Amino acid sequence: EVQLLESGGGLVQPGGSLRLSCAVSGFTFSSYAMTWARQAPGKGLEWVSVISSSGVSTYYADSVKGRFTISRDNSKNTLYLQMNSLRAEDTAVYYCAKLGSSWINSYFDYWGQGTLVTVSS
Amino acid sequence: EIVLTQSPGTLSLSPGERATLFCRASQSVSSNYLAWYQQKPGQAPRLLIYGASSRATGTPDRFSGSGSGTDFTLTISRLEPEDFAVYYCQQYGSSMLTFGGGTKVEIK
Repeated sequence: EVQLLESGGGLVQPGGSLRLSCAVSGFTFSSYAMTWARQAPGKGLEWVSVISSSGVSTYYADSVKGRFTISRDNSKNTLYLQMNSLRAEDTAVYYCAKLGSSWINSYFDYWGQGTLVTVSS
Repeated sequence: EIVLTQSPGTLSLSPGERATLFCRASQSVSSNYLAWYQQKPGQAPRLLIYGASSRATGTPDRFSGSGSGTDFTLTISRLEPEDFAVYYCQQYGSSMLTFGGGTKVEIK
């Protein structure tokens, strides 16, 4: 059974940093691209970042470029999102998701349950 | 960046009725790399359709996707009580992945 479990969310002040983790099981992690998406309270889905299976290729939404960094540790079956210079508008539930292939041009076939990040003073 | 516009914003229908949801892209979606997701309150999204028309594992056959280029459609042939939810389209044909704003299908 494919499982994705996010952790690391919480309350952080504007300008602060947070690192999210997504521990996966039930599939060969190193064979699939992974992604982060978010959903602000009461709003729609917003794609944040994607990383290829090897970790060599990464892409970001303009809203987070230069502030967020996606990475992965294939030996630990874990995906990360380092978030710096956080703003109030980054407040959202953050989801990690598995893509259907090793490359970034694929659909999101499995999702975690999400972790809430709140940016507030 | 490809902008996806979903319509209508809200669809009010009764169980047993047919639902038709639209997703229009600001430019052609490469290889028809267009997916549809269903999200219920308090839950993560769930993949329904990929490649514009292929049903994901476990997707009931009352859900169908169609379209190409810039115009895509999700059809639910006969609404079941569990189908009332928010639906999002998403393109994955470019390196900047994007979602549409969503269509809420509510009980009339």
